[in-house]
Amino acid sequence: DVKVTQSSRYLVKRTGEKVFLECVQDMDHENMFWYRQDPGLGLRLIYFSYDVKMKEKGDIPEGYSVSREKKERFSLILESASTNQTSMYLCASSLMGQLIYGYTFGSGTRLTVV
Amino acid sequence: AQKVTQAQTEISVVEKEDVTLDCVYETRDTTYYLFWYKQPPSGELVFLIRRNSFDEQNEISGRYSWNFQKSTSSFNFTITASQVVDSAVYFCALSDIEDAGGTSYGKLTFGQGTILTVHP
Repeated sequence: DVKVTQSSRYLVKRTGEKVFLECVQDMDHENMFWYRQDPGLGLRLIYFSYDVKMKEKGDIPEGYSVSREKKERFSLILESASTNQTSMYLCASSLMGQLIYGYTFGSGTRLTVV
Repeated sequence: AQKVTQAQTEISVVEKEDVTLDCVYETRDTTYYLFWYKQPPSGELVFLIRRNSFDEQNEISGRYSWNFQKSTSSFNFTITASQVVDSAVYFCALSDIEDAGGTSYGKLTFGQGTILTVHP
């Protein structure tokens, strides 16, 4: 069974902390994505990556960075967490040229910044 | 810019009722994909269906059916004889077509989501 695994289901961090959200997929997918989900706003794309060490900004990249050193792992970094980054974060992956299957999503990390 | 609108924030029905979730989209692309995803309480989004913009044939899968109308930019989702297990958040999404030249990667633009509650 193919999987996208997010390292933490729930996370509580303090304002100003550096936060790492980890995502690992075991499907050899080229594309990986980070979204945040907020009530009434749906899912919004933060960053995506189409290859190792490659990254592209999504719609709301401010306050975030990403790292993809290996194909299977895509990390989202909050350099200095703020309360407005309290949200549900969803990682997804897809196989280049196979969007017929859509994305495979992880279960999400619910981050609370206090 | 692409945009997806799900005007229904929340819908509440009683089991066995039929329910339709609306989705309207905007895009300048002539070729694109449309998706529906289900997000149960566990949080993981589950892929339900993908449609190509050039294929307007409606689709039925068990109790689920989808009505794609390019003329009105709509891709509505109907659940027939709803069940309690259908309770979830449902997202409609729009994607540009992947481009091997590297200018497009099939990024999904999501609607706001519709919370469906089916009561026993």
